[in-house]
Amino acid sequence: GQQLNQSPQSMFIQEGEDVSMNCTSSSIFNTWLWYKQDPGEGPVLLIALYKAGELTSNGRLTAQFGITRKDSFLNISASIPSDVGIYFCAGHGGTYKYIFGTGTRLKVLA
Amino acid sequence: DAGVIQSPRHEVTEMGQEVTLRCKPISGHNSLFWYRQTMMRGLELLIYFNNNVPIDDSGMPEDRFSAKMPNASFSTLKIQPSEPRDSAVYFCASSSWDGDIQYFGAGTRLSVL
Repeated sequence: GQQLNQSPQSMFIQEGEDVSMNCTSSSIFNTWLWYKQDPGEGPVLLIALYKAGELTSNGRLTAQFGITRKDSFLNISASIPSDVGIYFCAGHGGTYKYIFGTGTRLKVLA
Repeated sequence: DAGVIQSPRHEVTEMGQEVTLRCKPISGHNSLFWYRQTMMRGLELLIYFNNNVPIDDSGMPEDRFSAKMPNASFSTLKIQPSEPRDSAVYFCASSSWDGDIQYFGAGTRLSVL
């Protein structure tokens, strides 16, 4: 099935550093979402974006809906050990058919 | 509020056996989804129900897979007979309507030996 290009694939960072990841699509989306998946658990919604250019924050997390509607970005400020996990983007054109990203695996070094 | 509840969390079975995975969606949600997650293919949509009716089963890999939703609070995904290549994590998700945010359960990790 189709997957969105997500980068980086994985990253090691030091605690306290900021993290940036992005997701790109060849198709235009109406909605972008960012999920986090901890080991052995299901994806948990972090942020939902509904409008091109929209910038939304959730605590230390900030996500943006790209103005071309073909990309989205997630930033994590001042990372902490519990930020470890896999971050997935997902996009859809207004229906149930989510297209998921390939995931960014984040590891935080204390 | 309780989220999406899946059972069992882990299932180990032998090739050829029947496997049944269960899901209770969030109360009030009318859309239910079954996904399969593997390293190679990521999250794949298997089937989508709206108001208990299967709307899109194009992702069901083959006839060995079947899914039912007898009422608004329960769904099953059955594999019969199971094969080693079915080993994966199976997620159930629900949303309040088909284009709304999907909320995922904790998943069932299936191992077919």
